[in-house]
Amino acid sequence: AQSVAQPEDQVNVAEGNPLTVKCTYSVSGNPYLFWYVQYPNRGLQFLLKYITGDNLVKGSYGFEAEFNKSQTSFHLKKPSALVSDSALYFCAVRGGSQGNLIFGKGTKLSVKP
Amino acid sequence: GAGVSQSPRYKVTKRGQDVALRCDPISGHVSLYWYRQALGQGPEFLTYFNYEAQQDKSGLPNDRFSAERPEGSISTLTIQRTEQRDSAMYRCASSLGIGQGGDNSPLHFGNGTRLTVT
Repeated sequence: AQSVAQPEDQVNVAEGNPLTVKCTYSVSGNPYLFWYVQYPNRGLQFLLKYITGDNLVKGSYGFEAEFNKSQTSFHLKKPSALVSDSALYFCAVRGGSQGNLIFGKGTKLSVKP
Repeated sequence: GAGVSQSPRYKVTKRGQDVALRCDPISGHVSLYWYRQALGQGPEFLTYFNYEAQQDKSGLPNDRFSAERPEGSISTLTIQRTEQRDSAMYRCASSLGIGQGGDNSPLHFGNGTRLTVT
């Protein structure tokens, strides 16, 4: 069975500092990995994905994520955080090209000025 | 509109009543997913369709929950004999899906239906 773990309920960062939101996964087959963001009272918005190729993928709003097969991780990163980045972030995984998409429980990112 | 549309936006019902939640996906999207999201939690998978075929319903909590997508477009999630524990945000999402050589396309989510069972 596939699963996703986001070990941190909340991440606090000062504006301008780099941020990392952690995600580890477990699937059979090649992982299809995604990050989504949810702002208050809004639906989930796609940020970026890893399917194959370069382990470092770049997405919307200056975010990037690094796929690490040996550590089964897909951590979300941004070099310089903005207050407007404050939101809920969800990692998701699908085992292969078919099947359902499983989400982690989410990490609340808080960026202070 | 260009996005995924869900209706109603809010639904308050009494315990024991049946409810039907509607999802209108993005035109041309092959795959349609239903999720349930509790406050402050991640979306919990319920079921998904490719075209009109239900591919996986393993996430449906029990036999009071059912979903259909008879013409491969609009989908309805039905909850019979609602219970208070059914109260949650129900989210629908669609994606380009298998027509693109495998579903590596991102999901596009609707704004959800907030269900409250009293």
